[in-house]
Amino acid sequence: GESVGLHLPTLSVQEGDNSIINCAYSNSASDYFIWYKQESGKGPQFIIDIRSNMDKRQGQRVTVLLNKTVKHLSLQIAATQPGDSAVYFCAETSGNTPLVFGKGTRLSVIA
Amino acid sequence: DAGVTQSPTHLIKTRGQQVTLRCSPKSGHDTVSWYQQALGQGPQFIFQYYEEEERQRGNFPDRFSGHQFPNYSSELNVNALLLGDSALYLCASSGAGTLRGTQYFGPGTRLLVL
Repeated sequence: GESVGLHLPTLSVQEGDNSIINCAYSNSASDYFIWYKQESGKGPQFIIDIRSNMDKRQGQRVTVLLNKTVKHLSLQIAATQPGDSAVYFCAETSGNTPLVFGKGTRLSVIA
Repeated sequence: DAGVTQSPTHLIKTRGQQVTLRCSPKSGHDTVSWYQQALGQGPQFIFQYYEEEERQRGNFPDRFSGHQFPNYSSELNVNALLLGDSALYLCASSGAGTLRGTQYFGPGTRLLVL
């Protein structure tokens, strides 16, 4: 059954297309950002992180872009697969403060 | 290598009762953080334990308390349960005793308060 993410913003993409999930963060002092993926019934899973001295970081099929000027973070997923369907959260922190999570975006992949 | 484990997976309590949730960190990790995730929301930080002490605390009342054991496992206790305490409770572990370290989450304990 559904355990995460009722009434969340939803992004629907066709299998094989690229996905872009956006996040606006609130604290201009934040200097470390993480994207997490949360599947139904599971805890958040680390995807990729980026520090504020970078504006882009690439992983396997994923890229995170950071625009500090407008306090915006994005996660790009290449060649989206059905297994990518989940709720995606961005999280921010500064210094040694706790992670602050955004509200999340549900990604739905259409086969 | 076992990841973060939590028990129980599900729990049903009534208002006013007390609950204890348990967490074992990922092997090699010494820091445990607890989060509350309400339906449709992102996780909210409750507190973090390192070297058996609470290092930082989020905006949660004293009804929420915790403990860390010498083997780094941890418990979250909630007293005088309210309906609004119904949520998914997540444990995350990290190394080096810092909030900035990459945190690995367990599957969570789903608590329902009736």
